[in-house]
Amino acid sequence: GAVVSQHPSWVICKSGTSVKIECRSLDFQATTMFWYRQFPKQSLMLMATSNEGSKATYEQGVEKDKFLINHASLTLSTLTVTSAHPEDSSFYICSARNPSAAFFGQGTRLTVV
Amino acid sequence: QKEVEQDPGPLSVPEGAIVSLNCTYSNSAFQYFMWYRQYSRKGPELLMYTYSSGNKEDGRFTAQVDKSSKYISLFIRDSQPSDSATYLCAMSAGNTGKLIFGQGTTLQVKP
Repeated sequence: GAVVSQHPSWVICKSGTSVKIECRSLDFQATTMFWYRQFPKQSLMLMATSNEGSKATYEQGVEKDKFLINHASLTLSTLTVTSAHPEDSSFYICSARNPSAAFFGQGTRLTVV
Repeated sequence: QKEVEQDPGPLSVPEGAIVSLNCTYSNSAFQYFMWYRQYSRKGPELLMYTYSSGNKEDGRFTAQVDKSSKYISLFIRDSQPSDSATYLCAMSAGNTGKLIFGQGTTLQVKP
């Protein structure tokens, strides 16, 4: 199946700093990518839809100034968590969709200390 | 009412059993149906993808879609301890839009 690569797989940062997470579709072009957040023992919560060459679409309740999304090419989307706080600690997962199914990255575990 | 309902379990079965996982949905516009397996601290892995109604088989896995009942199923034959994971159903109306997920069912296969 298609491959989506997400990097880094885990990161620890200090409060107040920013963290960038990359998501790449390795063998197909994705005009749309999705960013999710997942809390322990819960399903995926969609944060935003990343659109190549245009602004991301954020879900209700997600702060666009805090979670900056850039989709500069058909194979790369980035999520930057700005001014991170301990409550931002979570598992972040990206997804890209080809004309059939959606494929997920490995996930990034963010810990803010 | 959620758009997609999935029993969170946990579901515990002995090794070799047939496992049946199910989701119901309310939006009749859904046409693309997927099943994912997620191990702890990993991203979801696509198991099965089905368009519209019907059955699809891949190895030990069979996916069924009954659009008239708004009900989808995933069957796992000869279950193995390595199948122990959380199984997520997902669906969408179009082939490019966002997916709507079920809550996920936790499965444990005991040796």
